[in-house]
Amino acid sequence: GGIITQTPKFLIGQEGQKLTLKCQQNFNHDTMYWYRQDSGKGLRLIYYSITENDLQKGDLSEGYDASREKKSSFSLTVTSAQKNEMAVFLCASSITPGQNTEVFFGKGTRLTVV
Amino acid sequence: AQSVTQPDARVTVSEGASLQLRCKYSYSATPYLFWYVQYPRQGLQLLLKYYSGDPVVQGVNGFEAEFSKSNSSFHLRKASVHWSDSAVYFCAVSSNYAQGLTFGLGTRVSVFP
Repeated sequence: GGIITQTPKFLIGQEGQKLTLKCQQNFNHDTMYWYRQDSGKGLRLIYYSITENDLQKGDLSEGYDASREKKSSFSLTVTSAQKNEMAVFLCASSITPGQNTEVFFGKGTRLTVV
Repeated sequence: AQSVTQPDARVTVSEGASLQLRCKYSYSATPYLFWYVQYPRQGLQLLLKYYSGDPVVQGVNGFEAEFSKSNSSFHLRKASVHWSDSAVYFCAVSSNYAQGLTFGLGTRVSVFP
């Protein structure tokens, strides 16, 4: 089996700061995703990438940038952290396309903006 | 656009009782449907999935779900819950796998002894 590793586990930033979250997967999956999880709002897709150097915007891409320089890694940048923002960012990956594909998730990065 | 509705934000059950979590989806064709579970401070783990065929699908840890095209539903069930089933359960739908999953808001399940 494989694993998705997200760093850091906890991230505290200041208002207006640019913050970068990192994700590595060793499944050799083609597609990677970044989701934002807010209490009471479920998971919302920020960016996804179907292959190295590909980027596709999700529903919540405003205020974020992403980078897929290698097949195994996918980074997310919060371009300007918002005061009192608290959320969990989940990285995920899957083989695409395919009927038996499954999306695998990392354990998340918890962001707090002070 | 596809959407998922989980009408129950919280469910409380006694250990050993049965559990049903409701999920309704909105999509014009037959979608791919999933149930994921999230334990505290963990990522999401797949419980089960439905693509086609038998509308009742079996998952891990005794969970099963039933797809109903006429009701646009994909309800999750477990006959007898254990305290370790306390978690948040997400229903999700995908029309095009490359575009990721659309999630419901989740149902938080609390199992009491």
